[in-house]
Amino acid sequence: DAGVIQSPRHEVTEMGQEVTLRCKPISGHDYLFWYRQTMMRGLELLIYFNNNVPIDDSGMPEDRFSAKMPNASFSTLKIQPSEPRDSAVYFCASSLWGYYGYTFGSGTRLTVV
Amino acid sequence: KQEVTQIPAALSVPEGENLVLNCSFTDSAIYNLQWFRQDPGKGLTSLLLIQSSQREQTSGRLNASLDKSSGRSTLYIAASQPGDSATYLCAVSGGNTPLVFGKGTRLSVIA
Repeated sequence: DAGVIQSPRHEVTEMGQEVTLRCKPISGHDYLFWYRQTMMRGLELLIYFNNNVPIDDSGMPEDRFSAKMPNASFSTLKIQPSEPRDSAVYFCASSLWGYYGYTFGSGTRLTVV
Repeated sequence: KQEVTQIPAALSVPEGENLVLNCSFTDSAIYNLQWFRQDPGKGLTSLLLIQSSQREQTSGRLNASLDKSSGRSTLYIAASQPGDSATYLCAVSGGNTPLVFGKGTRLSVIA
């Protein structure tokens, strides 16, 4: 398996623009997680899905953030409109049953100018 | 709410030294604990996973222990090498809670 695949690796956008981050989990994993990493706050959980259904989105910072998982092999995290304080590295991870080891993607480094 | 603390925040050691990284968590009702390595500008690489029923796991020069009752875990690195330089992250999951991360320990191994 190629592991968890995220795209793009880097994204630079202007404030106010829409940003879409993409994730392909490991085949067969039934949990998918979106995390955000900043120097100040470390790794924070934004939202997670079980069998494509959002379970907990309490970590999503604002209504500007939304996430979808239309099928078992694809998820998106969208920010609209983007702001400079959204600049961070966004990681996607997947797991089997949620209680076993997580596998992380390489992350998307987002810079909003 | 689960909180994970890692001490020290940064550590610098000479090559060849054995070292211990510490992790503590506030809620002992965990399902597992996972140690990760993160190189600068890179993603997270899983090093060791300890299930709640286990006391330790070993992989090569790495050994991780878990004491659920006291809310502690340690990562022991034997005979450290410059290539071990990275940030080491501890994370726990439990119940209905996904992985909660500590802020990490930044390790520098000096040749």
